[in-house]
Amino acid sequence: EAGVTQSPTHLIKTRGQQATLRCSPISGHTSVYWYQQALGLGLQFLLWYDEGEERNRGNFPPRFSGRQFPNYSSELNVNALELEDSALYLCASQQGYNEQFFGPGTRLTVL
Amino acid sequence: AQKVTQAQTEISVVEKEDVTLDCVYETRDTTYYLFWYKQPPSGELVFLIRRNSFDEQNEISGRYSWNFQKSTSSFNFTITASQVVDSAVYFCALSEADFTGTASKLTFGTGTRLQVTL
Repeated sequence: EAGVTQSPTHLIKTRGQQATLRCSPISGHTSVYWYQQALGLGLQFLLWYDEGEERNRGNFPPRFSGRQFPNYSSELNVNALELEDSALYLCASQQGYNEQFFGPGTRLTVL
Repeated sequence: AQKVTQAQTEISVVEKEDVTLDCVYETRDTTYYLFWYKQPPSGELVFLIRRNSFDEQNEISGRYSWNFQKSTSSFNFTITASQVVDSAVYFCALSEADFTGTASKLTFGTGTRLQVTL
């Protein structure tokens, strides 16, 4: 069974640009979570999608947004990129009461 | 608010030593879930264990064991006879239950970097 996949692996952008990160959950999982792992800030919860709806968001500005598609894959969009957005972005999927399984991450570098 | 504290930033041991990683949590919820994840240099978080707040049984899985004590709000992780392959960053995490009782977003500790040398 395939695990959580994320694309791209690496993404380099400049300040002010927009970044789009993608995540495909494990087959049968309906919930997708996004986390940011920035240097010195640890792992922070960004967004949670379940059954196509945004269920919760962390303490991040509105320029961080996303969506979940009917096939449960998800997209994270970051607008007006700032230098401090440089981080590893991890996606996780979950089904029901179970634990979250993580993808390999997308490393975003903002120059 | 939820909080997870991993006071040990970095631990170095020699192979075959036993090592315990500490985790202390804070939550006002009566129903919650605790997790340990391993993050090797590749960056991907690997799930190790989940424990719910009603299950205080300790667990052993091979060289890994976990000690959950609600009285001290701790969920410690012990690796017996450590190996070089155990070198990684280990994260303890806490999840509150949503209105359905399902584990939701994770609050992570800052992680403990374990270095196992020959």
